[in-house]
Amino acid sequence: IQLTQSPSSLSASVGDRITITCRASQGISSYLAWLQQKPGKAPKLLIYTASTLNGGVPSRFSGSGSGTEFTLTISTLQAEDYATYYCQQLNSYPPTFGPGTKVDIK
Amino acid sequence: EQLVESGGGVVQPGSSLTLSCVASGFSFSGYGIHWVRQAPGKGLEWVADISYDGNDKYYADSVKGRFTISRDNSKNTLYLQVSSLRVEDTAVYYCAKEWKWEALHPGYGLNVWGQGTTVTVSS
Repeated sequence: IQLTQSPSSLSASVGDRITITCRASQGISSYLAWLQQKPGKAPKLLIYTASTLNGGVPSRFSGSGSGTEFTLTISTLQAEDYATYYCQQLNSYPPTFGPGTKVDIK
Repeated sequence: EQLVESGGGVVQPGSSLTLSCVASGFSFSGYGIHWVRQAPGKGLEWVADISYDGNDKYYADSVKGRFTISRDNSKNTLYLQVSSLRVEDTAVYYCAKEWKWEALHPGYGLNVWGQGTTVTVSS
């Protein structure tokens, strides 16, 4: 299963609302996770099963979607949110990752 | 909950290594564990995973036949034996824990990650 993400990068300001889209080449039900990675650090799980917020993740992060189209929304971008975001499907093997969306400062 | 990888290094093509991942702070024997790698400047690539009891193992096509995943639940340790290494295997290797207890494959989300261990394959 191939995952595509759009956009591949975006520039935004603190306080902006941003949305990242992940599309799967075939239906994956709700077996989609979103991860955040900062330079030189391990990825961090934000959302699993498409819309469930992982413990300790701020409520400004939200996820939605099912089937083949999913979105990650950050309602009010904070300085610490500048990072690369990956989606990952866990519906079937291999559990592929999307190519990533880099969010940087405008 | 913590995972700590070790065993990386600089090796020549065709060499072998064993990567380890030691778990602490959770009931290791109840969770599936994955290996994920990241080549320099690239995205994340899933490598392999093993079920909580060690009975089921899955591999990416790019490593099948060359890498072997295993675990010792008595030692809270995961392993990845990597052999016939290629230049394109150069990456940071992360181990990551599945979120859900005794999850069916492949899982629901990887909620604990180690800091990574670097494997560099170069002549």
